[in-house]
Amino acid sequence: DGGITQSPKYLFRKEGQNVTLSCEQNLNHDAMYWYRQDPGQGLRLIYYSQIVNDFQKGDIAEGYSVSREKKESFPLTVTSAQKNPTAFYLCASTSQRGTEAFFGQGTRLTVV
Amino acid sequence: GQQVMQIPQYQHVQEGEDFTTYCNSSTTLSNIQWYKQRPGGHPVFLIQLVKSGEVKKQKRLTFQFGEAKKNSSLHITATQTTDVGTYFCARSYGQNFVFGPGTRLSVLP
Repeated sequence: DGGITQSPKYLFRKEGQNVTLSCEQNLNHDAMYWYRQDPGQGLRLIYYSQIVNDFQKGDIAEGYSVSREKKESFPLTVTSAQKNPTAFYLCASTSQRGTEAFFGQGTRLTVV
Repeated sequence: GQQVMQIPQYQHVQEGEDFTTYCNSSTTLSNIQWYKQRPGGHPVFLIQLVKSGEVKKQKRLTFQFGEAKKNSSLHITATQTTDVGTYFCARSYGQNFVFGPGTRLSVLP
């Protein structure tokens, strides 16, 4: 089945630790995105990538980092510099500009 | 300038009642998309509207794109408990999507 896989579904980390969230897609999509969603809120763009080895900051990139070494993979690292990292993180991909976005199941990160 | 607004923020309806959410932009939109996110789930694409004045239907859901391409609406006829969730509109913006804040729908049985 084609789709986007995010792992893990739930993640707990201690304050001050870096943590990497995985996002893999087998849809052959060029563009991939990371969004953050806080309870009862909308989606805020963290980073996006249109092609391999290139990515751009979104609206709330501070405290996050990404890489795009392969077309299929777009991992997100939440660094210790992110002041309030507890949130629901969603990865998405699209085949070309303006077409529908396919989302992964999300990773719920809790920092204690 | 690229943001889209949605109203209402929340809507509570009795099962069987109709529901409408509105999406508004201060600038002309090239297209508008609608997504549904069930509680605890991820957004799922519903539809894309491109043409001025376009109306599309999916069973009990009716989607409209304004004549000026600055607003859109999603109307659900005779809501069911399965309609519960948050409905987002989204616009394409350069190489990105900009999502509205969403309308959270609760349906009381």
